[in-house]
Parts: sequence; C-alpha cells; structure tokens
Amino acid sequence: KNQVEQSPQSLIILEGKNCTLQCNYTVSPFSNLRWYKQDTGRGPVSLTIMTFSENTKSNGRYTATLDADTKQSSLHITASQLSDSASYICVVSPNTGNQFYFGTGTSLTVIP
Amino acid sequence: DGGITQSPKYLFRKEGQNVTLSCEQNLNHDAMYWYRQDPGQGLRLIYYSQIVNDFQKGDIAEGYSVSREKKESFPLTVTSAQKNPTAFYLCASSMTGRHYGYTFGSGTRLTVV
Repeated sequence: KNQVEQSPQSLIILEGKNCTLQCNYTVSPFSNLRWYKQDTGRGPVSLTIMTFSENTKSNGRYTATLDADTKQSSLHITASQLSDSASYICVVSPNTGNQFYFGTGTSLTVIP
Repeated sequence: DGGITQSPKYLFRKEGQNVTLSCEQNLNHDAMYWYRQDPGQGLRLIYYSQIVNDFQKGDIAEGYSVSREKKESFPLTVTSAQKNPTAFYLCASSMTGRHYGYTFGSGTRLTVV
C-alpha cells in the first residue's frame, strides 16, 4: 500500500535554532517527492522537488535530502524564524497513475 | 500575475443545503483537483479533472459533485448528502504529468451551522 508518513507530528523550537523534519514513504515506483509549507488557513506552497537521482536540494534556509534506497526524505530548516511557523507537508508522486500521496504534515511552531 | 483563486474564503451552510465552492485558475493548467483537509489528517482527494468536460472521482467523492465546462474553472458542490462537510477545502491545478507539482488556492473553510 502506498503511504507517506511524517514525523514528528508537531515540533516547537526556539527562534534561531535548526530543526529537521522526516518523511518516510512506501510509494512505488517512485517519481518525485515535494515538500510544501502551509501557513494556517492558507494553501500549501511548494518548497522543493526532488527526483530519484537527487540527494539534496536547497531553497534558502530550507534543505531537503532524499535517500531513494531507504525511501526517506528530510527537510532541514536552518536558523529558524518566527515566519517558519507552519505545517510542512511531504508529497510523493509515483511513476504510474494519476495519484499524489500526501503525508499528514508536521506542525512547526517557532517561539521567540 | 497567474494564479489560482478560491472563493469564498469562509462559507456557512445550513443542514440540508447545497453549497458551491468556486475555483478559477489563469495558469493555463490542464488538470485541476479538489482536496479536503481535516485537522490531524492529510489531504484527501475528492475529485480531479485532467481535461475539459471530464472528471474522475477521488477517494472521498460521496456527497460532492463537480463540473469542468471551462479549462479555467472547476467548481465543487457540497450536497446535502455529505454528512460531515465541515472542513477546509483546497483547490489545486497542475500541468499534466507527474513531474509537475501543484499550485494550490488559498482554501475555503466550510462550516455547517
């Protein structure tokens, strides 16, 4: 069964600290994996996309990694800011069919 | 600027009423999608359409209906048959093909009163 699991479910960190969010998936055959940021009451916005051959990709203070062998991805946030408070959603696309598979998200709260 | 617009942002429905959520995009995207988001759960697919005048049921289509008369528009009707409609509804669009990601709208929060 194609599944995407994210951990932790929620996270609270101090402003300026780093954090890492995890995404494990069983989706196969794999096409790509995306990380989205969703502010409260808003639609998700894409942060990164990673394909099978990519190990790491950065977008400012956000760095995503992918291990296609173990089917794991992480999103590392450096020097967190209050505006990073949001839900972060991992979305995996298989190489067949029309379905995208969504994780349940990690809720990040950055406190001063 | 191109984008995807959902309206209204907040919607209240009395029990037994049908309501329609609007979704319009000017990105020239072929595919459009409707998702439902509940607290603590991932997004669940309601309906999707990859071409005008054609649409497919997603995982939770019961109690919902859609139309795709124009490429730019994909309205969702929440019917009285949907027993638990209170949720956050997200519309998305994309070019056809798995390497294209979604562009999401800003969402509509529907509450049954």
